[in-house]
Order: sequence, then structure tokens, then C-alpha cells
Amino acid sequence: QVQLQESGPGLVKPSETLSLTCTVSDVSIITSYWSWVRQPPGKGLEWIGYIYYSGSTNYNPSLKSRVTISMDTSKSQFSLKLSSVTAADTGMYYCARGPYSGSSSAFDIWGQGTMVTVSS
Amino acid sequence: DIQMTQSPSSLSASVGDRVTITCRASQSISGFLNWYQQKPGKAPELLIYAASSLQSGVPSRFSGSESGTDFTLTISSLQPEDFATYYCQQSYSTLPLTFGGGTKVDIK
Repeated sequence: QVQLQESGPGLVKPSETLSLTCTVSDVSIITSYWSWVRQPPGKGLEWIGYIYYSGSTNYNPSLKSRVTISMDTSKSQFSLKLSSVTAADTGMYYCARGPYSGSSSAFDIWGQGTMVTVSS
Repeated sequence: DIQMTQSPSSLSASVGDRVTITCRASQSISGFLNWYQQKPGKAPELLIYAASSLQSGVPSRFSGSESGTDFTLTISSLQPEDFATYYCQQSYSTLPLTFGGGTKVDIK
């Protein structure tokens, strides 16, 4: 069964860089696209960006200037870096398989999420 | 951006009720519409993809339909485990991929 697990600091200082890693288990990371999605407390979902094993990336224009998504296929991991964070970046961060996987254009597998708080 | 507008934002229903949630896209998305269920403290789970295809393992009481830019998620007979928040998401345009604001279904 495909599993995704997020890891990284739960507390980041304002103006610093948020760094998270997603470890993919039981499926080859080169078979799909992989995304980051976030959710501020009590609010809805926001897609951050995706990466394909070729290195191709696509970012939400609202975050593009601050986001970098990378992949380490040897470790079956992909990572998120979000720079110059503010309190508005506080929330739950999910990694997910998608938006293109197999026969669907959806996020079909999600990690459990990791809470990141931006505070001094 | 393609805006996804969900209605209602919340609803109260009883076990056994038929529940309908609507999602309207701001432009044509050619059926590239997905539905997710999110329970408190949990990650979203895919219910329906491509407007009407049931994800493997999802109960058949969930169904999806499409009419132009309007999409509907129907729960034919609400069960206790279905009380959750539901989100639609368009995958037609990646500039950017967008979600609806969510519909919270709670117990009447």
C-alpha cells in the first residue's frame, strides 16, 4: 500500500525558510507526479506545486517566487522549500500523489500532514 | 485562475438523508473535477475523480455528476461516518490547480 510521510520542523521563524520532506513508500517515485498542498487552520486547501521525476515542476503563481520543490529519487523523497515565511504560511502541510497518476488527474494518495507554525 | 464555488458552505442532515453538494467552475473544465472528503484532524481522501468515476474502495452511496460547469456530489443515504467536510478540485488547468471552499456536513 502506497504511503507518504511528511517530516520537518514544526516551528519556523518569520522571514526564514520552511523545509519539509515527503518520503514515498511501496511505489516507485518515478511513476507519478507529486505535490504539496497546504491548509491554514480552519480554512480550505491550497495547492502549492508539483514535481515529476524528470525534474519538471509547476508552482502556484501566488507562491512561485518563494517555492522550490525538488526530488531525490535514490531516497524516494521529494521536498518543499518555502522562503521568507510569515504568519500567513502557518498551517497543515500535506504531500500527495498527483495531480496526474495512473488513469486519474487527481490527488489519490495523501500523507497524514505535518503542522507548521511560523512564530518567533 | 479557475474559481471553484461550492454550495452550500455547510449543511445539517440526518442519517439516511440524501445529500447534494454543488460545485460551480468559473469556466469550462471539461469534466476534470474531483471530490474529496476530509474528517477533522485527517488528510483529505479522494472520493470521485473525473466528475463521476468512483475511486476504488469508496462506497457506492457516493456519486458525482456534471452539467456544463456545474458539478454535483450526491450521498444517497447519509451514514454516521459521512459527517465531514467535502471539497471539489479542478485539474483542468495547473495555473493553478484550485479547490472549492468546502462544504461541512454535520448532524442535524
